[in-house]
Amino acid sequence: GAVVSQHPSWVICKSGTSVKIECRSLDFQATTMFWYRQFPKQSLMLMATSNEGSKATYEQGVEKDKFLINHASLTLSTLTVTSAHPEDSSFYICSARFYGGGSEAFFGQGTRLTVV
Amino acid sequence: GENVEQHPSTLSVQEGDSAVIKCTYSDSASNYFPWYKQELGKRPQLIIDIRSNVGEKKDQRIAVTLNKTAKHFSLHITETQPEDSAVYFCAASRVRLDDKIIFGKGTRLHILP
Repeated sequence: GAVVSQHPSWVICKSGTSVKIECRSLDFQATTMFWYRQFPKQSLMLMATSNEGSKATYEQGVEKDKFLINHASLTLSTLTVTSAHPEDSSFYICSARFYGGGSEAFFGQGTRLTVV
Repeated sequence: GENVEQHPSTLSVQEGDSAVIKCTYSDSASNYFPWYKQELGKRPQLIIDIRSNVGEKKDQRIAVTLNKTAKHFSLHITETQPEDSAVYFCAASRVRLDDKIIFGKGTRLHILP
């Protein structure tokens, strides 16, 4: 199956700093990638749709200036959490679909962010 | 916007019995319905999916049914085993590659010995 890789798998940062999370499609090209956030014992909530070469589309209630998304190539999307606060601590997961993959979405392994 | 409702939030069944999880969706244009199993701290794992041109799909102990008219779909797990204990999510989307997948709130399934 197709592989989506996220880096880092976990990160601890100080409050007020920024953290960048990378999402790579290793064996396919992805014009669109999706970023989700999952709080403990909750569902995956879509944050934004990342579009290669254009601006991301953010879901209602998600601050675009706080969660910066860059999709500069067909295999890489990045999510930067700026001025992180403890309430941003969560599990962040990216996913992508591709031609030839059917309708299936392939997920990264997730990034556990802890802001202290 | 698109909304997916999932019930129950918690389900306990005796080992060997069947488990059923139900979902409804709001967007009539949705035509792809995946089910995921997620273990703690890990990525969601696709266990079965169904498209809107099919009413039922089965894979060994797992089956999914879809009622397009009622915008309702269900996951059925038969002969449950301890390793079936996990959180299960239903989701809805369109088949287009750039269409987002919206998740239900999840069902925590406990298989009792």
